[in-house]
Amino acid sequence: AQSVTQLDSHVSVSEGTPVLLRCNYSSSYSPSLFWYVQHPNKGLQLLLKYTSAATLVKGINGFEAEFKKSETSFHLTKPSAHMSDAAEYFCVVSERIRGKSTFGDGTTLTVKP
Amino acid sequence: DTGVSQDPRHKITKRGQNVTFRCDPISEHNRLYWYRQTLGQGPEFLTYFQNEAQLEKSRLLSDRFSAERPKGSFSTLEIQRTEQGDSAMYLCASSPDTGELFFGEGSRLTVL
Repeated sequence: AQSVTQLDSHVSVSEGTPVLLRCNYSSSYSPSLFWYVQHPNKGLQLLLKYTSAATLVKGINGFEAEFKKSETSFHLTKPSAHMSDAAEYFCVVSERIRGKSTFGDGTTLTVKP
Repeated sequence: DTGVSQDPRHKITKRGQNVTFRCDPISEHNRLYWYRQTLGQGPEFLTYFQNEAQLEKSRLLSDRFSAERPKGSFSTLEIQRTEQGDSAMYLCASSPDTGELFFGEGSRLTVL
């Protein structure tokens, strides 16, 4: 069994300040972890992925995430928010062999000017 | 365009009617997934295929829902005797063995 908990349903930051979106996971297997972004009326897009290589993963648009097995966390960060980062973000855990992916409920990021 | 495509993008139907959605995955991907998303929620897993084999179906899925993937290429999702609670965005994704999902734009269903 696997599950994902996104600890904040809404996060609001000012443009130019750091972003932190928190994600905890549970998995019976050695998981792969992903972050996806969904802009309004757009499809889901992959931001970054962790698949057992380096624990600090770099993605698109300046986002990073760090896999911490001891804390079962995979938090998403960005040093400086941009207005275009405003969107819905989903943390996803996937069983590598079976391939089934489970989504969190999402975090809405608002960026204030 | 070599991405995932879904058809139709929007479907409005009356309660009790049957609807069918089609998904064309990225051609070299052997895994195909269907998810359902309602407002304010994350995508909810419905079912997935490895090539033509349907490997798992969500327990939340009633027997009014059926999915096929003949020949391991495109897939269809059929909903029989639609109910208002079926109104949602139906998302299709395909995946290589590395696990990342490539999503289509979705098919929005409205049941009146």
